[in-house]
Amino acid sequence: EADIYQTPRYLVIGTGKKITLECSQTMGHDKMYWYQQDPGMELHLIHYSYGVNSTEKGDLSSESTVSRIRTEHFPLTLESARPSHTSQYLCASSEYSVVQPQHFGDGTRLSIL
Amino acid sequence: AQSVAQPEDQVNVAEGNPLTVKCTYSVSGNPYLFWYVQYPNRGLQFLLKYITGDNLVKGSYGFEAEFNKSQTSFHLKKPSALVSDSALYFCAVPTRGGSQGNLIFGKGTKLSVKP
Repeated sequence: EADIYQTPRYLVIGTGKKITLECSQTMGHDKMYWYQQDPGMELHLIHYSYGVNSTEKGDLSSESTVSRIRTEHFPLTLESARPSHTSQYLCASSEYSVVQPQHFGDGTRLSIL
Repeated sequence: AQSVAQPEDQVNVAEGNPLTVKCTYSVSGNPYLFWYVQYPNRGLQFLLKYITGDNLVKGSYGFEAEFNKSQTSFHLKKPSALVSDSALYFCAVPTRGGSQGNLIFGKGTKLSVKP
């Protein structure tokens, strides 16, 4: 089992609220990622990090922001949630190598009313 | 640029029959290829990878994949499907260059195994 945890698993919240999705891993992986996925659909990379104090934007433009103050922690923040942010958000981590797999958390399903 | 394609949105198989989920790739340099599975309400789970060597790669849950360089394919297979194999399957290839190590995923194939 992968040691990567996301909280909350489900969140229903009103428009305009500030949201932080938590992601933690205990594997000591340098690289971490955030993906956005509509249920049953393809994944879109929105943020990634090479390590502490490193954050990069992914392929899909997102209004969210991320931070990486500690190796094990990679939270994602939405300053003002909108219905268009409704989706599933998956966090992943990996060693810094092209041949090592990514390990995924079980995701946060976010619904903005 | 690196890319993968999964030509089938859905594959339907009867329990006990063999299954194949297709993936083709386009890469520069040596191909590194991955398969992941996603069960409902879960994240992706790594199944297997091809790095080099034997063209038949064995992975988790009885799955295997055949690397075919001439056809640029990396199809996922299982000799006898189970209802519990019903899930979403993704093929992936690493990026090159500045964002090296990120994965490019296919659009996914939904596998449905009926009793």
